[in-house]
Amino acid sequence: GDSVTQMEGPVTLSEEAFLTINCTYTATGYPSLFWYVQYPGEGLQLLLKATKADDKGSNKGFEATYRKETTSFHLEKGSVQVSDSAVYFCALSPGLGNEKLTFGTGTRLTIIP
Amino acid sequence: GAGVSQSPSNKVTEKGKDVELRCDPISGHTALYWYRQSLGQGLEFLIYFQGNSAPDKSGLPSDRFSAERTGGSVSTLTIQRTQQEDSAVYLCASSPTTPTQYFGPGTRLTVL
Repeated sequence: GDSVTQMEGPVTLSEEAFLTINCTYTATGYPSLFWYVQYPGEGLQLLLKATKADDKGSNKGFEATYRKETTSFHLEKGSVQVSDSAVYFCALSPGLGNEKLTFGTGTRLTIIP
Repeated sequence: GAGVSQSPSNKVTEKGKDVELRCDPISGHTALYWYRQSLGQGLEFLIYFQGNSAPDKSGLPSDRFSAERTGGSVSTLTIQRTQQEDSAVYLCASSPTTPTQYFGPGTRLTVL
């Protein structure tokens, strides 16, 4: 079945550091890929998405590129802020009408001032 | 506009009791999903509705779990004879015709 493997956390960085959170997937067909974020005490929010190979999703300075050849969707940000501290989830949906999400285990990110 | 709402936000129950969790999706969203978030299992899919039908129930962990959706809108997840391992945050999400899902704040269920 479908699966998502995500970089283990927790990750601690200093403010303005470069961020990469790795995500790889296994799926048949042509899934859509997502990064969701969960800020402390809040619900899951969509951060960015890509629905086909080579698409780049971007939002709030975060980017991720759908790489079919490496089955990856790594999350990057050039300069993190304290407000980026949260748990980040990589996810896929199969793109077959039923768009149920398969999630990675989540990566807790803490940014130190 | 209004987002996905869920009630109650917190529910504490005793082992063996039945509970009902409610989800109000975004108006006009035809697809509705239930997920469970627990420390041991992470985020897991439970059930998918398209309109009032549930073409995918594959994530329901046992026959103690059931769900329905009425009027293409509100959905109720029912857990019968609750067990301690049912303790988790239950999340509802709705979606229009696109693959993007919008999540509610969740119901935290604690089974004592």
